[in-house]
Amino acid sequence: QSALTQPRSVSGSPGQSVTISCTGTSSDVGAYNYVSWYQHHPGKAPKLIISDVTKRPSGVPDRFSGSKSGNTASLTISGLQAEDEAHYYCCSYAGTYPMVFGGGTKVTVL
Amino acid sequence: EVQVLESGGGLVQPGGTLRLSCEASGFTFSSYVMSWVRQAPGKGLEWVSSVTASGATTYYADSVKGRFTISRDNSKNTVHLLMNSLRAEDSAVYYCARGGGVVILAATRSDHWGQGTQVTVSS
Repeated sequence: QSALTQPRSVSGSPGQSVTISCTGTSSDVGAYNYVSWYQHHPGKAPKLIISDVTKRPSGVPDRFSGSKSGNTASLTISGLQAEDEAHYYCCSYAGTYPMVFGGGTKVTVL
Repeated sequence: EVQVLESGGGLVQPGGTLRLSCEASGFTFSSYVMSWVRQAPGKGLEWVSSVTASGATTYYADSVKGRFTISRDNSKNTVHLLMNSLRAEDSAVYYCARGGGVVILAATRSDHWGQGTQVTVSS
């Protein structure tokens, strides 16, 4: 049960796009199309923003999008806004382990 | 309105026991996987344990297997996490989360989370 690998931080100016990678293995990200992304602001509950690699729950802005290639999933935030500054975590189903999280990525809006 | 509310956190000595509870409302509780996820100070999210909608099958992270027990009471819309042999590294905010459906893979689609309950293990 190893954590998925994410960059520790990414940054961008308002209006720009940023992409966060999430690298796993053929036992988790590469094996299943059950990758989700969570946004976490300090002191608040985590929020699901992408499920099943590409699906956006109701109410999540369409500037958030997900994709996957092989063992790596990605989250793209287009048209970065100030309120997008937060930590983002990927999460994959891994059979024996229903949820394996990435180490988290801090998104900073410059 | 879907609500998930954790309770039971606190300060406990190493080797001690604590029982967390999660009370849910606003949805058909018996139709959803439930999970516990924690965040230690300065660290990221870590999955701890999940239970299927019926309660028949449970899952644990390696770091807590054999020490923690998850259970649910579908008649009372509650899920519990019994934590034994607690260690300093178990100190964290513990979140209860509702999965996206009845099957265990829906755990990744946890769409409603509580505000968390703080657990501190220290002498």
